[in-house]
Amino acid sequence: AQSVTQPDIHITVSEGASLELRCNYSYGATPYLFWYVQSPGQGLQLLLKYFSGDTLVQGIKGFEAEFKRSQSSFNLRKPSVHWSDAAEYFCAVANGGGAQKLVFGQGTRLTINP
Amino acid sequence: NAGVTQTPKFQVLKTGQSMTLQCAQDMNHEYMSWYRQDPGMGLRLIHYSVGAGITDQGEVPNGYNVSRSTTEDFPLRLLSAAPSQTSVYFCASSTNYEQYFGPGTRLTVT
Repeated sequence: AQSVTQPDIHITVSEGASLELRCNYSYGATPYLFWYVQSPGQGLQLLLKYFSGDTLVQGIKGFEAEFKRSQSSFNLRKPSVHWSDAAEYFCAVANGGGAQKLVFGQGTRLTINP
Repeated sequence: NAGVTQTPKFQVLKTGQSMTLQCAQDMNHEYMSWYRQDPGMGLRLIHYSVGAGITDQGEVPNGYNVSRSTTEDFPLRLLSAAPSQTSVYFCASSTNYEQYFGPGTRLTVT
């Protein structure tokens, strides 16, 4: 069965600094990979997704992620964070079957220092 | 276009009570899912549906029932609430694996 690990429960960065959130997945075939963001008290919003093709994918709000098959990773990056990026971030994997089921990681809470 | 709506936003139940969490979507998506979110555990799939009349269990289905009589609606029923069901519940609909989430229902069972 597929699984997702986000090794960092909580990360703090300064406003304007670069950001990288880690995600490792376990899945036998080529996975479908996603990053979602959740602001406090809100539902989840899709930041970006990877199905195939170019391993560097661009998303909304200036985020990007890189799929590395050899490392089973799909890390999320942003060159310069803004205070509004403070939120919880979830990585997820789907198995490509017909049910469109996602398996989520535990989440990484991002705090931005002014 | 409201997307995915959930009611109620908050609910407090006593142990043993039953209730239904409502979920509706207006995007004509075939796929719908229910998740629960608990601190440090991410989102876990409770039940899902691939179309009207078709439902199946997810990772944590015990204590919950679902039905899908229409494409739009996917209610989640708690049969006999337990404190372990205290959580935030999210409904989602999806197309091409892109899931659209509702705002959530925060449920407390005392």
